[in-house]
Amino acid sequence: GENVEQHPSTLSVQEGDSAVIKCTYSDSASNYFPWYKQELGKRPQLIIDIRSNVGEKKDQRIAVTLNKTAKHFSLHITETQPEDSAVYFCAAIRQGGSYIPTFGRGTSLIVHP
Amino acid sequence: NAGVTQTPKFQVLKTGQSMTLQCAQDMNHNSMYWYRQDPGMGLRLIYYSASEGTTDKGEVPNGYNVSRLNKREFSLRLESAAPSQTSVYFCASIGGTIANTGELFFGEGSRLTVL
Repeated sequence: GENVEQHPSTLSVQEGDSAVIKCTYSDSASNYFPWYKQELGKRPQLIIDIRSNVGEKKDQRIAVTLNKTAKHFSLHITETQPEDSAVYFCAAIRQGGSYIPTFGRGTSLIVHP
Repeated sequence: NAGVTQTPKFQVLKTGQSMTLQCAQDMNHNSMYWYRQDPGMGLRLIYYSASEGTTDKGEVPNGYNVSRLNKREFSLRLESAAPSQTSVYFCASIGGTIANTGELFFGEGSRLTVL
């Protein structure tokens, strides 16, 4: 089955800095890569996603890049704000099959004011 | 439109007791999932149901059973609770009219403590 590795497990930055979270996956058939944000005590919610036919996608201060050859994808947050503090999860999914999302272990992002 | 609804939100059990976590979605989704979340372990799949009438084991199915009662409802049962099952449980769903987007919608979570 699919295996997703996520790094780092904890990331501490100053407000205004950039943050990068990286994930690697093992199944070359995976073709959809969402990122979820989970605030303390809340449910995970989708913040951005990318499909295997696209190399990069941006949404305001958030961007995701995908390198299919190396089987890794990354989340980039620019101009971080305290409200970006949360746990972020990456996932890899094979659409068209049994559709089982496999998640990374999560990154706890702390943005210091 | 409530999305994915889980009950109960909190539960304390004694070792050996049984209980069922209920999950319902009103988005006409085909696929439903049960995950457990433990510190540092991310979201691990317990069981999933690709469509009404089918269920399959995920990564950590031992000690659990599931029932896909109909298209809306997917329940998770602990027959004899153990302290290792202390966790936060999330139900999620995907499919229907948004199948191509791939977005997984989560319930609010159920925090279970087994003493």
